[in-house]
Amino acid sequence: QQQVKQSPQSLIVQKGGISIINCAYENTAFDYFPWYQQFPGKGPALLIAIRPDVSEKKEGRFTISFNKSAKQFSLHIMDSQPGDSATYFCAASMADYKLSFGAGTTVTVRA
Amino acid sequence: EAGVAQSPRYKIIEKRQSVAFWCNPISGHATLYWYQQILGQGPKLLIQFQNNGVVDDSQLPKDRFSAERLKGVDSTLKIQPAKLEDSAVYLCASSLDRGHKQFFGPGTRLTVL
Repeated sequence: QQQVKQSPQSLIVQKGGISIINCAYENTAFDYFPWYQQFPGKGPALLIAIRPDVSEKKEGRFTISFNKSAKQFSLHIMDSQPGDSATYFCAASMADYKLSFGAGTTVTVRA
Repeated sequence: EAGVAQSPRYKIIEKRQSVAFWCNPISGHATLYWYQQILGQGPKLLIQFQNNGVVDDSQLPKDRFSAERLKGVDSTLKIQPAKLEDSAVYLCASSLDRGHKQFFGPGTRLTVL
């Protein structure tokens, strides 16, 4: 049973464009929503995270938008660069700190 | 700062054989996690240790999988006997404590033939 649903499965964006990845969850007990970036042959690395008491968090070119009522959150990558080409995973956890990951989105940035 | 180390990086075995993976977490990290990442899916938590005690192993197939963390540092994950569906990348992660940022190792890619 997948607790976090992620879309799209893959996307291609031109250099300088905006990449948008969406995630949805059902369990309202989730209170921590991180995004991980994974390059081929590497483990996932924490990119940015948000808690449900804020609707948006920005770190450099990466922004999380959070809609508590819709139980959805998204990652926006602004001014996408070829180095951003990777697989991105959303995740969610409750007070037990156990992460439930989405299925991942492979982002390809074309130069 | 050294990251999470895992070995081997790749392993190919026949079904019904046994295999073991090793993880060395970041020094001083109390919490250690083992995840299974099947191709095209996100990581799935198998087991979580706090120091050398098990916090959560609810998703560990205990009939064939076992894990230990002796002395609260290194950890090993074992599969015996392996099945075809065990083919995956096995990721180890560690964090300073529960609820803190998790740092992942590069993983061990297991292929079961």
